[in-house]
Amino acid sequence: QKEVEQNSGPLSVPEGAIASLNCTYSDRVSQSFFWYRQYSGKSPELIMSIYSNGDKEDGRFTAQLNKASQYVSLLIRDSQPSDSATYLCAVNMRGFGNEKLTFGTGTRLTIIP
Amino acid sequence: SQTIHQWPATLVQPVGSPLSLECTVEGTSNPNLYWYRQAAGRGLQLLFYSVGIGQISSEVPQNLSASRPQDRQFILSSKKLLLSDSGFYLCAWSVRRQGEQYFGPGTRLTVT
Repeated sequence: QKEVEQNSGPLSVPEGAIASLNCTYSDRVSQSFFWYRQYSGKSPELIMSIYSNGDKEDGRFTAQLNKASQYVSLLIRDSQPSDSATYLCAVNMRGFGNEKLTFGTGTRLTIIP
Repeated sequence: SQTIHQWPATLVQPVGSPLSLECTVEGTSNPNLYWYRQAAGRGLQLLFYSVGIGQISSEVPQNLSASRPQDRQFILSSKKLLLSDSGFYLCAWSVRRQGEQYFGPGTRLTVT
């Protein structure tokens, strides 16, 4: 089992629709969760962080965390062509004191105009 | 505000040649620093990280090494490059424990 698992896609979503990206992780004591966006040929850019169960909203983005089920998701509302990118899920796997993040392999999202 | 620099942006090197990639961070003190490699179409592989000057943790045994001679400077080196060293090299920094990491623009290395 991969430590952080994402569907590689590609995920195609019509413009204006909601894009839903999912991520599962294996370590129950994980504390911190992040979503990064990576455009082709560019470096990853942090777009959301979440630490507590529930939803966190920032503009068109909503991160959802369910520690009991060990999954974290990212919803993108009113999807735009500029949202087409690879989305990386990252998890701090071993709780307090661990300085590293474990990344999933990413989900490629394509927004269809 | 914090800024992270990497250079060079692109590099083409022959097999067996040495390598030195540099990363510097501005606007923060005592950051954690990280080197990642991303092979074409692949995920991020953590190579090294550092929590302070002279403190280097290696994640993957290979022909690469890292050094941190100053608080905000992180260097990735190799004495002899292999074809398999080709990839996109990313430096990142973080301050908070368990916290978010911020990436530099990256260096695209092609070993020929």
